Amino acid sequence: KQEVTQIPAALSVPEGENLVLNCSFTDSAIYNLQWFRQDPGKGLTSLLLIQSSQREQTSGRLNASLDKSSGRSTLYIAASQPGDSATYLCAVNTGNQFYFGTGTSLTVIP
Amino acid sequence: GAGVSQSPSNKVTEKGKDVELRCDPISGHTALYWYRQSLGQGLEFLIYFQGNSAPDKSGLPSDRFSAERTGGSVSTLTIQRTQQEDSAVYLCASSLAAGIGRNTEAFFGQGTRLTVV
Repeated sequence: KQEVTQIPAALSVPEGENLVLNCSFTDSAIYNLQWFRQDPGKGLTSLLLIQSSQREQTSGRLNASLDKSSGRSTLYIAASQPGDSATYLCAVNTGNQFYFGTGTSLTVIP
Repeated sequence: GAGVSQSPSNKVTEKGKDVELRCDPISGHTALYWYRQSLGQGLEFLIYFQGNSAPDKSGLPSDRFSAERTGGSVSTLTIQRTQQEDSAVYLCASSLAAGIGRNTEAFFGQGTRLTVV
């Protein structure tokens, strides 16, 4: 069964810092990997989707990479802002479901 | 609509009652997923619909849970004889397509917070 792990579980950084969130998965047979953010009491907001054939995707200050063979993905956030504070979730799609990690809770301190 | 819509946003029910949760996916999206998020827990897969294919019900926790998708659009998740452990946020997601190399970006609704008292 696919298992997804996210490290660290929580992260606190001062505003302006660049940071990296890590995601690892056990089975490389995936269709794609998607990064989400979740604000307290809210649903999930899609940030980036990386197809299994791709190595990275960028959107604004966000850059996500994928190394399918080693089962790893990273989400890089540049010049962090207090508004980036949220829980970040990665999910791998194996066709009929997404397997989610338990998330990284990010706090950006003004 | 512009996004995935779920209703109600909050539901409080008494133990033993039946509840229905509704999901309106993004127009044209053929894939629809239901997930459950319990307090402090990760997301738990419940069921997956893809077009007219038989749904993947492998995540439903018990036979008290069922779901249907009418006309390939709106979906209803039904929980019969609710128990306190059913209390959670129920999230619905849809995507344009399913399959390798296709646009499978999933978009989630805001969820229904179910409280069983």
